[in-house]
Amino acid sequence: DIQMTQSPSSLSASVGDRVTITCRASLSVSSFLNWYQQRPGKAPKLLIYAASSLQNGVPPRFSGGGSGTDFTLTISSLQPEDFATYYCQQSYSIPFTFGPGTKVDIK
Amino acid sequence: QITLKESGPTLVKPTQTLTLTCSFSGFSLSAPGVGVGWIRQPPGKALEWLAVMYWDADQRYSPSLKSRLTITKDTSKSQVVLLMTNMDPLDTATYYCVHNSRSTVSLPFDYWGQGAQVTVSS
Repeated sequence: DIQMTQSPSSLSASVGDRVTITCRASLSVSSFLNWYQQRPGKAPKLLIYAASSLQNGVPPRFSGGGSGTDFTLTISSLQPEDFATYYCQQSYSIPFTFGPGTKVDIK
Repeated sequence: QITLKESGPTLVKPTQTLTLTCSFSGFSLSAPGVGVGWIRQPPGKALEWLAVMYWDADQRYSPSLKSRLTITKDTSKSQVVLLMTNMDPLDTATYYCVHNSRSTVSLPFDYWGQGAQVTVSS
């Protein structure tokens, strides 16, 4: 199985801050990397697919980058509705695996 | 508009078989590339992919759970069913039904159901 790790596991930030979350795969996943946002008590929501493509309807303050084993999710200016947990996920090989999540909360 | 909704028991006993149904609308599971799958999330923990059924009846399973899982589809009813045998308290989780498509690079799970909470307890 391809193991996914994320850093940091949690962070505190203020509205307007620039936030970057890192995801690393144990093997190359090319660009088969997706990012999701999960608010408390809600289902996850797709933000970024294919490492850097913005899902329809997702605000452009979200961006993704990277390829191979190292990826980033950046929120350019944190908004109140962005306080949530973020997961990366690889779809390069089965089993599709998720990272452990990064919780973003209010400083 | 694509929607998915999970249904099934909220409480099952250890060793029993869990049957979860995903009822969906806004797409057809006979359309090339389309898949419907299942993902679960234990309380306070991360997401775990379980299985997917594609339009052509191709089924893929998590190797660690493959012996306990069966996924089936009823295209005419727009439903996908997941069976999980020999349930254990460690299987307590919220189970999500998801849509994805092989037509989209990186096969993202682009639509999710609201989730079904399942507790395993005697």
